[in-house]
Amino acid sequence: GAVVSQHPSRVICKSGTSVKIECRSLDFQATTMFWYRQFPKQSLMLMATSNEGSKATYEQGVEKDKFLINHASLTLSTLTVTSAHPEDSSFYICSAPEAGLGEQFFGPGTRLTVL
Amino acid sequence: GDSVTQMEGPVTLSEEAFLTINCTYTATGYPSLFWYVQYPGEGLQLLLKATKADDKGSNKGFEATYRKETTSFHLEKGSVQVSDSAVYFCALSDHGNQFYFGTGTSLTVIP
Repeated sequence: GAVVSQHPSRVICKSGTSVKIECRSLDFQATTMFWYRQFPKQSLMLMATSNEGSKATYEQGVEKDKFLINHASLTLSTLTVTSAHPEDSSFYICSAPEAGLGEQFFGPGTRLTVL
Repeated sequence: GDSVTQMEGPVTLSEEAFLTINCTYTATGYPSLFWYVQYPGEGLQLLLKATKADDKGSNKGFEATYRKETTSFHLEKGSVQVSDSAVYFCALSDHGNQFYFGTGTSLTVIP
């Protein structure tokens, strides 16, 4: 099946710094990718839809200036958490639909801890 | 709008017990339905899916049947193992790429 990778898998940073998370579709192209946030013992919350070649679409309540999304190519989307705060600590997961298989493939997630 | 309602956990079962995790959905169209599993510290993995009414998805001993009349997609397994301990998410997709997830049900299987 199709594979989506994320890098890094785990990152610890200081408050005020910025962190970039990469999401790659390894063996298929994805014009759209999705970024989710998961709080401990809770479900996934859709943050934004990343669109190749155009601006990302953010869900209500998600700060677009804080969570910068860039869909640089058909296989790569990046999420940059700017000026990170401890409350940004969370598990971030990306996904990409594989049109031929008609399903969504999820990355393994990135654990962000902001000190 | 579309949504998924999932049985709340946590669920604790003894090994070889029967498992049911309830899931109902609301959708305006004819969505595809999914069960995903998340093991500790990992991302989501597709467990099974069904794309139309009366379809039965199955994998690793788990089954779920797409019931349009009751708008349900309950997950079942006849005999759980310790290795099945994980969080299970019911989800639907309206074919427009957007996924809607349930809140997740944590399952712990004890020996």
